[in-house]
Amino acid sequence: RKEVEQDPGPFNVPEGATVAFNCTYSNSASQSFFWYRQDCRKEPKLLMSVYSSGNEDGRFTAQLNRASQYISLLIRDSKLSDSATYLCVVNRVGSGGFKTIFGAGTRLFVKA
Amino acid sequence: ETGVTQTPRHLVMGMTNKKSLKCEQHLGHNAMYWYKQSAKKPLELMFVYSLEERVENNSVPSRFSPECPNSSHLFLHLHTLQPEDSALYLCASSQTGLGDEQYFGPGTRLTVT
Repeated sequence: RKEVEQDPGPFNVPEGATVAFNCTYSNSASQSFFWYRQDCRKEPKLLMSVYSSGNEDGRFTAQLNRASQYISLLIRDSKLSDSATYLCVVNRVGSGGFKTIFGAGTRLFVKA
Repeated sequence: ETGVTQTPRHLVMGMTNKKSLKCEQHLGHNAMYWYKQSAKKPLELMFVYSLEERVENNSVPSRFSPECPNSSHLFLHLHTLQPEDSALYLCASSQTGLGDEQYFGPGTRLTVT
């Protein structure tokens, strides 16, 4: 089983739709969590950090459920420009420091 | 954006060549990272440097050799690579290296022939 798992999708949604992604992690010692987006043939870009209290940035809401070991990303009022791959990232203590584990990503296509 | 730069952007090399990838960060961060991204696979963390000390080596073959001469620069020296090493190599930096937000460079797309 992978340490960080995401539904690969693709999610095909119309403009204006609300879409939600989940990401599960298996190591209970995981300490920090992020969502990144990656456009085709580009580098990942930080979308938002994920806090235990949940956080919102415009149309994007991220939540962390430590008991069930998953994080979520909700996108409201989808735009064409939201089409990308969304990467879940988990950090935990590794052999000599923090270890970063990326999920395989969830593809989102927003269509007009 | 010029926060994290990488050169070259594209590289084709033979299996007997030696080449180096360069990364430079202009963000004043103390930690730098090398990742490998192969087609249809998640990003794989290769190396982590914090304050110029290697703190993570993720079981990477010795044909990849990192070097961090100072907190702004990171190199990945390549020698006797295999075709399966063809991938996008991404450099990132973060403020502390303690599980904080990482900022990526544009990557070097490497093809090994």
